[in-house]
Amino acid sequence: GAGVSQSPSNKVTEKGKDVELRCDPISGHTALYWYRQSLGQGLEFLIYFQGNSAPDKSGLPSDRFSAERTGGSVSTLTIQRTQQEDSAVYLCASSFTGGNLAKNIQYFGAGTRLSVL
Amino acid sequence: AQSVTQPDIHITVSEGASLELRCNYSYGATPYLFWYVQSPGQGLQLLLKYFSGDTLVQGIKGFEAEFKRSQSSFNLRKPSVHWSDAAEYFCAPNTGNQFYFGTGTSLTVIP
Repeated sequence: GAGVSQSPSNKVTEKGKDVELRCDPISGHTALYWYRQSLGQGLEFLIYFQGNSAPDKSGLPSDRFSAERTGGSVSTLTIQRTQQEDSAVYLCASSFTGGNLAKNIQYFGAGTRLSVL
Repeated sequence: AQSVTQPDIHITVSEGASLELRCNYSYGATPYLFWYVQSPGQGLQLLLKYFSGDTLVQGIKGFEAEFKRSQSSFNLRKPSVHWSDAAEYFCAPNTGNQFYFGTGTSLTVIP
């Protein structure tokens, strides 16, 4: 597709259940990012994938959170044993990395709104 | 520690009025600077960026931003606001190995 696609757009789950959030990046983009946006908060960096390199997991808040990127394209963010504080909008972004990483423009999906009851 | 501050949580302006959204950062070295906009229910979209050179940069939708090294600031401006500018605005300094966004400024435009 033309842009970053995320699914589902909304997810309601019960406390303790596992959830999977999907991100389809822009074709050809080698970098993929996951962020969490809580009400009244900025974007909290979660994890970053770049090509075949080991992902930067420094932003994952706990070991209940994990992510993978298969074939250098689609990514899945998994939250195990969800808690109410996990309720937020989860945003995915991708970018084409060439040269200085700091100059990368990130293209965002519309996000998945997760509600944990 | 690196940080970015958007001191205005919420701003209300009248349509046609001028706008300035503040952004201050604290980094060891000058980062690359971005402003993104998030319309309701949407992801973020790049408004403009500063890497080097002319400290006044132009972006989309009539926005501009000025980099002031002495003040560690990168404020966003627009001379005349349109109702469609109502959105959340995020300042994002980037050093390449950390990805920071400010907490955002919510803009309301009244007719």
